[in-house]
Order: sequence, then structure tokens, then C-alpha cells
Amino acid sequence: GENVEQHPSTLSVQEGDSAVIKCTYSDSASNYFPWYKQELGKRPQLIIDIRSNVGEKKDQRIAVTLNKTAKHFSLHITETQPEDSAVYFCAASEASGGSYIPTFGRGTSLIVHP
Amino acid sequence: KAGVTQTPRYLIKTRGQQVTLSCSPISGHRSVSWYQQTPGQGLQFLFEYFSETQRNKGNFPGRFSGRQFSNSRSEMNVSTLELGDSALYLCASSLGALRGANTEAFFGQGTRLTVV
Repeated sequence: GENVEQHPSTLSVQEGDSAVIKCTYSDSASNYFPWYKQELGKRPQLIIDIRSNVGEKKDQRIAVTLNKTAKHFSLHITETQPEDSAVYFCAASEASGGSYIPTFGRGTSLIVHP
Repeated sequence: KAGVTQTPRYLIKTRGQQVTLSCSPISGHRSVSWYQQTPGQGLQFLFEYFSETQRNKGNFPGRFSGRQFSNSRSEMNVSTLELGDSALYLCASSLGALRGANTEAFFGQGTRLTVV
């Protein structure tokens, strides 16, 4: 099955700095890579995703890059703000019987200091 | 459109008991997946139901089971509870459409289960 490794487990930055979270996956059949943000006490919410036919995707201050050859993908957050503080999960999915069942990384706790 | 609803939000049970958790997906979504979230293990996939059938299953013991009803609502059952079953149980719903379609998952708020 798929195995997703996520680093770092904790990331502390100053407001305005950039933050990068990296994930690797093992199954070359994976073709959908969502990122979820989970604020304390709240549900995980999708913030950005990328498919295997795309190398990079941006949405305002967040961007995701994918290197299929190396089987790794990264989340980039620029100009971080205190409200970006949360746990971020990467995931990798392959179509299985018609659905995408993501395998999640263990999460990165991002702390943005004002 | 209402989001994914899980009940109850909090539950305290004793070892050896059984528990049933409920998940109502977004209207029109036919796929419901269940996850166990713990501080040490992150989000671990339990199983997925689509059109009342279990379509995918993770690596959990048989004490964990589920079902889905014709209205796509799903229940998860854990029998013979152990202390290690204490966790946040999340369900996620998606369209569950055919291969290749967008199947973004929307999570519920979760049920916090504490086993004492």
C-alpha cells in the first residue's frame, strides 16, 4: 500500500516568513495530492490539491509543487500570518474501485509567531 | 448546503463496551469514509462505504465495523472497546463518482471517544 512521509513534524516561523512542508510517497500509481489544514479543535479542511499531470499550483499565498520522478511534493506558504498556525496534513491518493482513498502523512504543526 | 454532521460529538465509554458513531454526509454525496485520528499516528483510514457497500478497508481489527444506509448516512461500530481506541473519529464524505472524477473529501467535526 501507499506510505506517506511528512516533514518536519513541527515548524516554527516568524510572521512574514515563508514556510515549507515536504512529503514523499511510495506508490507511483498515486495521482492526486491534497493538503488539509486542521485548526485546533476543528475539522481538517482542504486548502489546495494537485494532480499528477501538473507540476505546480498556486492559490494566493499558498503553492504546491509535485515531482513525480522523485515521488515528493511540497506545500509552500509565503508571508505567513498568525492565523496560518495549524496542523497541516499532506495526502496521496490513487483511484481504487472508482474512489480516491487518501493516505495521510502524520501532520506538521505550524506555529507562526507574531 | 449543510456540511458533514457527526454525532455524538463526545463520548465516554468503559473498556469492553461497544459504541456506535453516526455520520450524515453532504446531500448528494454517496461515499463516506471513516478515519481514526490520534496524536501519535495522525489520520488513519478505517473504511469507505459507497452505495451501502464497503468499497475499501484499512488495516484495523474486526472489532471496527460499519455500514451505510440507503440515504448514504453511515454508522461505525466498535465492539469490545480498548483503552487504545480513545481517539477522534472523523468521517468524510465525497461524491464518490466514477474513476477519474474529482472526489474532494469534506470532513465532519468528529466524535471524540474516550475509553476509561
